[in-house]
Amino acid sequence: AQSVTQPDIHITVSEGASLELRCNYSYGATPYLFWYVQSPGQGLQLLLKYFSGDTLVQGIKGFEAEFKRSQSSFNLRKPSVHWSDAAEYFCAVGGNTDKLIFGTGTRLQVFP
Amino acid sequence: EAQVTQNPRYLITVTGKKLTVTCSQNMNHEYMSWYRQDPGLGLRQIYYSMNVEVTDKGDVPEGYKVSRKEKRNFPLILESPSPNQTSLYFCASSLGRIPNTGELFFGEGSRLTVL
Repeated sequence: AQSVTQPDIHITVSEGASLELRCNYSYGATPYLFWYVQSPGQGLQLLLKYFSGDTLVQGIKGFEAEFKRSQSSFNLRKPSVHWSDAAEYFCAVGGNTDKLIFGTGTRLQVFP
Repeated sequence: EAQVTQNPRYLITVTGKKLTVTCSQNMNHEYMSWYRQDPGLGLRQIYYSMNVEVTDKGDVPEGYKVSRKEKRNFPLILESPSPNQTSLYFCASSLGRIPNTGELFFGEGSRLTVL
């Protein structure tokens, strides 16, 4: 069955620290992978996506993610977190169907 | 400005009172979809539409109806709401098929409470 797992429900980091949010997926075909961010009271916004090619993808707001097929992972990283990065982050997987499967989200809290 | 607009943003209603949440996009997108977001469950797809007059069930369609009479609009109808439909609802659209275009544009959400 197709699924996305985000093992961390809640992460707290200090401003300026590095960040890694984990995402593992299960998908029978070649996956298309996405990270979305949801700021408080807002809809979701696409951070980055991976379809093919270079397994390290760059996104908006200084985020990047690395696709590791052998580990079925697509972890999101940022070298230095800003207070404005506090939000909920969703990993999603899609493929040859007309739907995205979302993970349950990771809430990021940033302390000054 | 390119956007997906949902109304109402907040609604409290009672069991059994029919309601409609409207969704409109101004980007000429073919694909539109409704999701509900619940704590610990992430986003789950309710219905989606590939184009006018074409709709299909998502993962949790029970208790909901949709229609796509015009390309820009995709209303979500709760004929007889129940408390388990209390949730945060998102409408989203995409230029074309999800795998090809890769990006969903989301509305700001509609928080529905059914008493």
